[in-house]
Amino acid sequence: QKEVEQDPGPLSVPEGAIVSLNCTYSNSAFQYFMWYRQYSRKGPELLMYTYSSGNKEDGRFTAQVDKSSKYISLFIRDSQPSDSATYLCAMSDSGGGADGLTFGKGTHLIIQP
Amino acid sequence: KAGVTQTPRYLIKTRGQQVTLSCSPISGHRSVSWYQQTPGQGLQFLFEYFSETQRNKGNFPGRFSGRQFSNSRSEMNVSTLELGDSALYLCASSSWQGRTGELFFGEGSRLTVL
Repeated sequence: QKEVEQDPGPLSVPEGAIVSLNCTYSNSAFQYFMWYRQYSRKGPELLMYTYSSGNKEDGRFTAQVDKSSKYISLFIRDSQPSDSATYLCAMSDSGGGADGLTFGKGTHLIIQP
Repeated sequence: KAGVTQTPRYLIKTRGQQVTLSCSPISGHRSVSWYQQTPGQGLQFLFEYFSETQRNKGNFPGRFSGRQFSNSRSEMNVSTLELGDSALYLCASSSWQGRTGELFFGEGSRLTVL
């Protein structure tokens, strides 16, 4: 069993739809949870950041963490064609960041105009 | 503020050769991490440097090495290249004052091994 599981997609939805992206993980020591967005031929960029369990909202994006279920989600409201990208979940158990992040393999999202 | 700069962006090598990749972090960032990204394995942690010291290393063979200079610039080296080393190598920098996991990535160096 891999540490972080993420459906690779592609996930194709019409413009304006609500998108739900998810990751499951097995390491209960993970405390820091992130979502990165990666456009084709670009490096990942941090989209959302959550510590421990709970919800966080930033504009059209909402991140949810359920540590009891070892499950994290990213919701995108009013999706736009510009949201088409690969979305990577990432996690860490380290307060110092030195141990590196554990990434999911990413979900390829396509927003159809 | 300039972002993370990686050079070269693209390179082609043959098996058995070695390669050196360079990374200039965001000004003021002292931590530099390296990741390998492949379609099959996704993003995998290679190593992390802070103030010229390697603080941690991922599960990669000794052919993968790196270093950091006093100006925080970093290089990674892969010796005796294998076909499986073909990947996008990403460098990320972070501030010690920043949040854990808040990494700023460069655009990567795409290595093809023939």
